[in-house]
Amino acid sequence: EIVLMQSPGTLSLSPGERATLSCRASQSISSSYLAWYQQKPGQTPRLLIYGASSRATGIPDRFSGSGSGTDFTLTISRLEPEDFAVYYCQQYGNSPWTFGQGTKVEIK
Amino acid sequence: QVQLVQSGAEVKKPGASVKVSCKASGYIFNNYYMHWVRQAPGQGVEWMGMVSPSGDTTHYAQTFQGRVTMTSDTSTSTVYMELNSLRSEDTAAYYCTLDRRFVPYWGQGTLVTVSS
Repeated sequence: EIVLMQSPGTLSLSPGERATLSCRASQSISSSYLAWYQQKPGQTPRLLIYGASSRATGIPDRFSGSGSGTDFTLTISRLEPEDFAVYYCQQYGNSPWTFGQGTKVEIK
Repeated sequence: QVQLVQSGAEVKKPGASVKVSCKASGYIFNNYYMHWVRQAPGQGVEWMGMVSPSGDTTHYAQTFQGRVTMTSDTSTSTVYMELNSLRSEDTAAYYCTLDRRFVPYWGQGTLVTVSS
């Protein structure tokens, strides 16, 4: 099973600041099968990025994904008030699919 | 476009069973496995298993072996996840999800509450 470790656990930032979230895999995964999600309380996870760097439909361009092998990054260039949430990475190229434990982006 | 529509919320007593459905549309049903994941309140996301479109192949997470059954009905493009011997720790949102051409799609989720 591929373990995904996200860091930091919590990121305290102000609106307008840049957020950099990390997802590290226990073994190399195909970039085609790495996704990032945003989740707010009581809501279904919302797909932001798939294939490590492709934005999902309707996702603003302030969200970007990068990385390969075992190290992947989600960057939010300028935080908007609606971006404060929990973010998860997921690998779906190997069974079992696995998820990181999440990074909470909170208002400083 | 791909759509996965799940059945409604359920409230069950400990020891009971629940069966959640997921009706698929917008793609060739027979070409993709369906996965099930769940998320307990305030917790992360946990993979439960997967089922082939025909239903003849399943793989379950060790955690759920012996308690979960995933089936598929090609005539209605619907997959099912049944979980038995429910306990309070099974209270969670359950999601069907698939990967089509490198894009993951999710159902809207089904909240299952286990309470006496």
